[in-house]
Order: sequence, then structure tokens, then C-alpha cells
Amino acid sequence: SQTIHQWPATLVQPVGSPLSLECTVEGTSNPNLYWYRQAAGRGLQLLFYSVGIGQISSEVPQNLSASRPQDRQFILSSKKLLLSDSGFYLCAWSEGYGYTFGSGTRLTVV
Amino acid sequence: DAKTTQPPSMDCAEGRAANLPCNHSTISGNEYVYWYRQIHSQGPQYIIHGLKNNETNEMASLIITEDRKSSTLILPHATLRDTAVYYCIVGGIYNQGGKLIFGQGTELSVKP
Repeated sequence: SQTIHQWPATLVQPVGSPLSLECTVEGTSNPNLYWYRQAAGRGLQLLFYSVGIGQISSEVPQNLSASRPQDRQFILSSKKLLLSDSGFYLCAWSEGYGYTFGSGTRLTVV
Repeated sequence: DAKTTQPPSMDCAEGRAANLPCNHSTISGNEYVYWYRQIHSQGPQYIIHGLKNNETNEMASLIITEDRKSSTLILPHATLRDTAVYYCIVGGIYNQGGKLIFGQGTELSVKP
């Protein structure tokens, strides 16, 4: 069966520090992969999506970047975090109808 | 991508049916209607989806109007564990480059 792993579950980082969040999917090949962010408890904002290795589409301009070095690996990064980067980050995958979401990473930038 | 309109909040008595409405008047012909829910601090959970026919699964029923401009998610016998934010989304499937854009959703409170 397909599973999605996302880590860490919580993270506290100082302003100006780098960020790397990793998401991996098991049990499927060539999935579409997505990064969402949720601030203030409601409203998921689509940040990036990828339809294949090395293919990244950005939905909104921001302080973040994404990479897909392997078929089932999706990484969210930042060189220097801002306070406004705080939020709940969710990875998701799809290979048909609907998405399956990971358990999320709660990032607090202090 | 089409946008959806949902009431920000609803209450439902435990054991009664919860009917959550959604308007999607600009939906295009190849877009599906998806419903997800999110319990606090968890990732969204897929509930059901449909194109133009009504759909039912073990979690819920989806009623789509004939003109496809609105739909209703029905939880037939709501329990306290159904308290969550419910999102109605329209979008394509993955092999058509579909991506799901979430709105603000409806916060459903199931009360004893």
C-alpha cells in the first residue's frame, strides 16, 4: 500500500536560519507531489507541485524553494527563514483522483 | 481553477444528518468536485469526489446538481468525531495537471 512520510513533526528555528523539510512516498511510481502551507489554522495554500523528477512549479512568490531529486522524494527549503514562514506545512501526493496528505510539520520561526 | 463558496461554520446535532453545501458556479466540464476534511492539527483527509453523478461511500454521500454549479456533502449520522473543517474543491485529475486549490472551508461542529 502507498504511504507518505513527512518529517520532522515540529520544528522551531531562529530567523535567518536555513530550512529543509523532507517528504517521501512509498508504494507508488511517478506520483504528482505537492507542498502546502497552512497559517492561522485555516486555508491551505498551495506552494509548489511537481509532476516528475526535477520538475517544479511554484504557485506563489516567496522565501521558499522546492526540489525533487528522486521520483518519490520532495524537499522544501529556505536559505534564510522569516517570521512569516511560520505555519503548518503539508506534503501530498496524487496518482489519480484526490490527494493523500502527510501528517505535516509545524514550523515556528522565532 | 474554479473557486468554491462555502458557509464558514455549521452546527449539527449528534446522530442527525449533516448537510454541507458548496457553490461552484464556474466549474468547467472536466473538473471534479472533491471533498476533504481536516481535524485540528492533522493533514486533510479525502472523503469523496464526483463528476456529475451522485456518489456514496462508507463515509458520506455527494449530491451534485444537474447543472453542476453546486453540491452537497451529506454525513448521514454525524458523530462527535465528525467535528472538523470540511473543504469543497474543484479541480482536474493528476494526469491532466490538476491541482487542488483549497478555500476556507466550513467548520462543522457536531454537538451532543
